[in-house]
Amino acid sequence: QLQLQESGPGLVKPPETLSLTCTVSGGSISSSSYYWGWIRQPPGKGLEWIGRIYHSGSTYYNPSLKSRVTISVDTSKNQFSLKLSSVTAADTAVYYCARTASGGVFDIWGQGTMVTVSS
Amino acid sequence: QSALTQPASVSGSPGQSITIACTGTSTDVGAYNYVSWYQQHPGKVPKLMIYDVSNRPSGVSSRFSGSKSGNTASLTISGLQAEDEADYYCSSYTFSSTWVFGGGTKLTVL
Repeated sequence: QLQLQESGPGLVKPPETLSLTCTVSGGSISSSSYYWGWIRQPPGKGLEWIGRIYHSGSTYYNPSLKSRVTISVDTSKNQFSLKLSSVTAADTAVYYCARTASGGVFDIWGQGTMVTVSS
Repeated sequence: QSALTQPASVSGSPGQSITIACTGTSTDVGAYNYVSWYQQHPGKVPKLMIYDVSNRPSGVSSRFSGSKSGNTASLTISGLQAEDEADYYCSSYTFSSTWVFGGGTKLTVL
């Protein structure tokens, strides 16, 4: 079955760039039926949608993060990536990648990776 | 975009029914039938419970149901069980082609 796995540094210094990759296994990222997205959850807080990408490279971002976020896709590696620039302690969170079905249904999630922003 | 509004907490006794409201605006919840609900146990990954307002994915108990009226969507859990104790989040598509979550509701089974 389809699985998603996040990878990347667990510690990032401010104001550097946070970089994470999501590897998709058991299915193709080029499926025409799905988008691929990132969601985060600060410790003890709620979920925040970051953005999503289609296999063609088309992207949409959370307006509150848009100036700092870049999501890209590498169909040859069946991966998509997140870059968040100029991070601060407020960006400390568990970052999830998720498959997004029609209408915005986040139906398959990665296990999540904790990223701490600290000097 | 502003987060959807959910009560911080709700509670109920085993066997009872509870409803969690999710209030948005005419540009998100009220505009589309693209509201979904997620259950998250402590330290676990969120799990899809309801999509497109009222549809249940395969494997989700029929005790979970969803509805919408105007700018407010609702999740109802009937026959409350101890295992239902968790955080619940709603999510909606918006007219900006983005998605927004609610702040989350902690369900306590008394």
